[in-house]
Amino acid sequence: DTEVTQTPKHLVMGMTNKKSLKCEQHMGHRAMYWYKQKAKKPPELMFVYSYEKLSINESVPSRFSPECPNSSLLNLHLHALQPEDSALYLCASSEPGRTHYGYTFGSGTRLTVV
Amino acid sequence: SQQGEEDPQALSIQEGENATMNCSYKTSINNLQWYRQNSGRGLVHLILIRSNEREKHSGRLRVTLDTSKKSSSLLITASRAADTASYFCATGGTSYGKLTFGQGTILTVHP
Repeated sequence: DTEVTQTPKHLVMGMTNKKSLKCEQHMGHRAMYWYKQKAKKPPELMFVYSYEKLSINESVPSRFSPECPNSSLLNLHLHALQPEDSALYLCASSEPGRTHYGYTFGSGTRLTVV
Repeated sequence: SQQGEEDPQALSIQEGENATMNCSYKTSINNLQWYRQNSGRGLVHLILIRSNEREKHSGRLRVTLDTSKKSSSLLITASRAADTASYFCATGGTSYGKLTFGQGTILTVHP
C-alpha cells in the first residue's frame, strides 16, 4: 500500500467542468509535489509546497490551481482544461534531512479531458 | 531540457539475465536517484547515491556514479519477469527543491 493516497484514480471531465484532484500523506513530510506525466514521457514538475506554502510553480497555466490546506493534504483544482491536459497526475512527498528515502509517490490520477 | 538522459530507451531480456541502464546528466548534482514505474502508475524509489559515492548496492540492484562523466548506471542482476517496468533516473531534490527525471528506460523481462 502506498503511503501517499490520491483520489480519484480516474477522472473524465469536459472542458467547461471544474474538478479537483486530492492527495493525502501521513508520513509527516513537509514538502509535497504535483507532477504531470504524459504517455511514454517522464514526470514533469508542476508545483512544490514546503511548510504548506507554494515554493515552486513551474510556469503552469492558471487553469491549474494548487492548494495545501494543511501539512497532510494537497489539492489540485482544475478549470477550463484542454484535451492536451489529459495525463497522469502524480502527487509526491518528501522530508528534508532524510533524502536517502527519496520521494514517495502516490499511484496517480489518470485524467481525460473531453 | 531534461536533466537526465537515459539509454537504452528500451531493453528486452530473458529472465535470469542482467539488465544495465545508463543515465547522463548535465549539471552538478547532490545526489542521483533511481525510480521504477509499473504500467504508468506511481513511481517507487529504488536507490539514492550521493555525489561523493561511487557505488551502492541494494539487494539485486547496483548503482554506480561517475561525476567526472556526469553519468550513472543501474544494474539489475538475475532479472525476473516482475522487474518489467519503466526505470527513471532523477537528479536534484535537495531540501525542497526540484526532482528532475530522465527520459526513462522501458525494461521487459521475458519469462
